[in-house]
This record gives sequence, structure tokens and C-alpha cells, in this order.
Amino acid sequence: LAKTTQPISMDSYEGQEVNITCSHNNIATNDYITWYQQFPSQGPRFIIQGYKTKVTNEVASLFIPADRKSSTLSLPRVSLSDTAVYYCLVGDFRGGYQKVTFGIGTKLQVIP
Amino acid sequence: DTEVTQTPKHLVMGMTNKKSLKCEQHMGHRAMYWYKQKAKKPPELMFVYSYEKLSINESVPSRFSPECPNSSLLNLHLHALQPEDSALYLCASSQQAQGGYEQYFGPGTRLTVT
Repeated sequence: LAKTTQPISMDSYEGQEVNITCSHNNIATNDYITWYQQFPSQGPRFIIQGYKTKVTNEVASLFIPADRKSSTLSLPRVSLSDTAVYYCLVGDFRGGYQKVTFGIGTKLQVIP
Repeated sequence: DTEVTQTPKHLVMGMTNKKSLKCEQHMGHRAMYWYKQKAKKPPELMFVYSYEKLSINESVPSRFSPECPNSSLLNLHLHALQPEDSALYLCASSQQAQGGYEQYFGPGTRLTVT
């Protein structure tokens, strides 16, 4: 499994755009990049997933360069409720399931 | 219904007890997972079931015994646990979605072993 590296923590003011970058130098051809959000004492929640280029949904954007060795999660105009841990995962889903390893995660603190 | 439910929410058990954790989903997902999460650490994969067959066992001690009675239900049987097994136990299910694969997590069971 490709190992991921991301900053341990980040601070941001409310209303700012936040970009969290994840390194995955050993990503395999069949691997997808997925980001999850987790609040204390809750299960992780899926945010966004991509394979290459740019993916956007109603809550975030994911930028993946051509070499796919890194990815950047972009959260537009964060609010206090976005304070959470954000995990970058890399893995494939052959065989009908997904085997992934959670990295250490990035603890985002949004400041009023 | 896009929910994974887990019962109980909290569980305190002694080292000689036998207990079970239950996970249920009605989304038609054919893959289900157990994770263990210690405080301030990321979730660690324990088991994966695909189409009700055990596909992955991440070298988990035998005092943890998973069971998948049907495609909607996943159990984790606990016996002779140690205090260091105290953690949040998360269940997830997954399906292939457009452009990828998404895991839905339950709220977890907070287990304390005394």
C-alpha cells in the first residue's frame, strides 16, 4: 500500500480557503486518492475522491498533478464547523472492496 | 438509507467477559469492514468481508472474532480482551460509486476493558 504523508496540523481563519497537501510517492497505477473528515468520537466521513487532474464536489476540490505523487484537498471558505482531522488515503478496490491505510491525518483548527 | 449503525455505543467489559459488537447497513453494500481507533491515532484496519467472506485479516489476535451472518450484518465477537484493547471500534461498508469507491462509517462503539 502506498504510504501517505501530510502535515500534522494546520490553523486557518474563518472564511479562508484551506489547502492540505498529501504526498504519496509510491502510488500505484490502480490506486485512487480519497480524503475523509473525522470529528472527535465519530466515524470518518467521505469528502472526495479522484484519480487524476481535478475533482470538485459541493464541499471540496481535489487537485492531482500528472505524476500523481501528491494531491491537494482544497476547502473553500472554512467555518468553525470544519475543525476536524482530515485523512488522505490511497488504495485500489479490486476484488469488490477497498484496502486502505489511514495516514496520521491533518488536524485543522479553524479560528474565529 | 445511507446509514451504518453500530450497537452498543459504549461497552465496558472485564478481561474474562465475552461480548459482541454489532454493525448493520441496508445500502446493499457487499463489502464491510472493522477498524480499531485508539485515541488521537488514525483508524487501523482489522478485517474486511467481501460478499460475506472474510477477505482480509490484518493479523488481528484471535480474541477478536468477526462474523458476517448476511450481507447487511457484521459482528465482532470479543473474548478475553486486554486493557490495551480499549478503543473506538468502527464499522464501515462500501460500494463502488461513480469515479471511485466510498466507505460509509458508523459512529463506532467505545470499548473499555477493565
